[in-house]
Amino acid sequence: DAGITQSPRHKVTETGTPVTLRCHQTENHRYMYWYRQDPGHGLRLIHYSYGVKDTDKGEVSDGYSVSRSKTEDFLLTLESATSSQTSVYFCAISDPLKNGYTFGSGTRLTVV
Amino acid sequence: SQQGEEDPQALSIQEGENATMNCSYKTSINNLQWYRQNSGRGLVHLILIRSNEREKHSGRLRVTLDTSKKSSSLLITASRAADTASYFCATDPSQGGSEKLVFGKGTKLTVNP
Repeated sequence: DAGITQSPRHKVTETGTPVTLRCHQTENHRYMYWYRQDPGHGLRLIHYSYGVKDTDKGEVSDGYSVSRSKTEDFLLTLESATSSQTSVYFCAISDPLKNGYTFGSGTRLTVV
Repeated sequence: SQQGEEDPQALSIQEGENATMNCSYKTSINNLQWYRQNSGRGLVHLILIRSNEREKHSGRLRVTLDTSKKSSSLLITASRAADTASYFCATDPSQGGSEKLVFGKGTKLTVNP
């Protein structure tokens, strides 16, 4: 979607390796989010950020960490990937003055 | 835990028919939103309805909200094959506007030509 990009789009990694997913926005929105989407579970919030260096945990934060050193970038790190972290990861941004989230196109991560 | 639960899980209709999807939630909300997701893509925001609103329209979309029943419905009129997608409701459960949406599991809509 315009204004928000995720990288990489696809990644296959081995169990136990570190993985970092990147979300980049050009909208200067304050809020950024990482969700994972799995069959039967819908979207679940991993971590979110309400400003530079301000982050908080979501519903399924175990095994994940995040960093936001600049307004435009929100990084999601799997310190030691496990097979249960195989999923599609979506980044989203929002502006409290506007309606709704804008989502990225997603990163499909496979941990083998 | 899921806040919103969509019903039905899957819906198949013919082009030109109306499609109705329902969403139930558990706690008080600031607003409720509906999103569409085409296969393999990110979610797209469709419409937002605030807790003090009962009905909202946007093109062929009509959303209702009943806070006493903690439920919402999304009606797509005169459906088209291009409406084939998954539809999710999402609730902002905080009155303080933390902007932290909780999504349901979605309804998969198939519109047959």
